[in-house]
Amino acid sequence: GAGVSQSPRYKVAKRGQDVALRCDPISGHVSLFWYQQALGQGPEFLTYFQNEAQLDKSGLPSDRFFAERPEGSVSTLKIQRTQQEDSAVYLCASSLARTSGDQFFGPGTRLTVL
Amino acid sequence: KNQVEQSPQSLIILEGKNCTLQCNYTVSPFSNLRWYKQDTGRGPVSLTIMTFSENTKSNGRYTATLDADTKQSSLHITASQLSDSASYICVVNTNAGKSTFGDGTTLTVKP
Repeated sequence: GAGVSQSPRYKVAKRGQDVALRCDPISGHVSLFWYQQALGQGPEFLTYFQNEAQLDKSGLPSDRFFAERPEGSVSTLKIQRTQQEDSAVYLCASSLARTSGDQFFGPGTRLTVL
Repeated sequence: KNQVEQSPQSLIILEGKNCTLQCNYTVSPFSNLRWYKQDTGRGPVSLTIMTFSENTKSNGRYTATLDADTKQSSLHITASQLSDSASYICVVNTNAGKSTFGDGTTLTVKP
């Protein structure tokens, strides 16, 4: 595809529900990042993949957050037992390399937990 | 907590005017600094990237400056257009590829 795509664009969940957010990176991009962006703030790092390997998950706020990229392309961010504080925009970005490549961002998934 | 501080938090200017956005950082070890533009409901889009040795870089009507000694950067927008209304985010990257984002400056350009 031409850019990074994310689905769904909007997700409303009841507190306690599990959600899964999908990211399709740019073809050939080795690096994939997930960020959480609260309203009026900059993105906060969640986790990083190099191909299928999750090399950095230091930003995941709790063990309710889980990310995977089993074949080194599409990635899924799963949030279990959602809480109201999980409400945010979840951004995915991909790049050719973590240290030198420009990060190309998807449009984000806006998650609202009621 | 945040190692990248941006100012002002928000700014309103008239179409055609210039403006300058500021970014101060304490992130280290420094690798590069990027400015992103984020339109409402969209992901950030890169405007400029500056490494340690670069003082200034332009991209059309956008000019970024970097003072690595004082750890300050600015983004200057000339002859603003309505389409410049967006959030402008400063991002500092370390040698290990860790990105720290500022909270952005929300720019509103009015006709």
